[in-house]
Amino acid sequence: QVQLQQSGPGLVKPSQTLSLTCAISGDSVSSNSATWNWIRQSPSRGLEWLGRTYYRSKWYNDYAVSVKSRITINPDTSKNQFSLQLNSVTPEDTAVYYCARDELVAAPDYYGMDVWGQGTTVTVSS
Amino acid sequence: DIQMTQSPSSLSASVGDRVTITCRASQDISNYLAWYQQKPGKVPKLLIYAASTLQSGVPSRFSGSGSGTDFTLTISSLQPEDVATYYCQKYNSAPRTFGQGTKVEIK
Repeated sequence: QVQLQQSGPGLVKPSQTLSLTCAISGDSVSSNSATWNWIRQSPSRGLEWLGRTYYRSKWYNDYAVSVKSRITINPDTSKNQFSLQLNSVTPEDTAVYYCARDELVAAPDYYGMDVWGQGTTVTVSS
Repeated sequence: DIQMTQSPSSLSASVGDRVTITCRASQDISNYLAWYQQKPGKVPKLLIYAASTLQSGVPSRFSGSGSGTDFTLTISSLQPEDVATYYCQKYNSAPRTFGQGTKVEIK
């Protein structure tokens, strides 16, 4: 059974960096059939996909335009986890942050986010 | 980027009613669409992928249809445990944009 366990602070000061980690059990961050995603949710923005990392003979990243200048998602193969860093945060970044596996559920290329982390409520405030 | 628009934003129906939620993509996404259910205080759950294929374990009262730009999620007979917010998501390419959600309540 695949599980994702999130960790990281729930309070970040404005202008600082938000850092979260998602530890994977039951699957590999280097899987050729999955991508590893960060999503956030707030009342004003709903579910907002932030970005992903995935391995297909080499590592790839994709990021949402809205955060592209501030975001980094990195895999850590030694610990089988991936991380989110969001720089220069403002109160607008206050949200529940989720990590999620986007798995190849049907050939040839149908995916679905079938496993989610428990969510981390992050508040940006001084 | 492709935008995903859901309607209605909320609805209230009686137990046993047929409920339909619509999702429209701003460009053709073929059938690269998923539907998620999020119950209050819970994480989203994958219901349907490839626009019409039920994820394992999802009750058969849920169904999806559509292709191109217009998609529908139908609950054939609404049950109390279906109270949730439903989201569509496109995945033909990044970004994996979600619709804004449709909140379903029992009348």
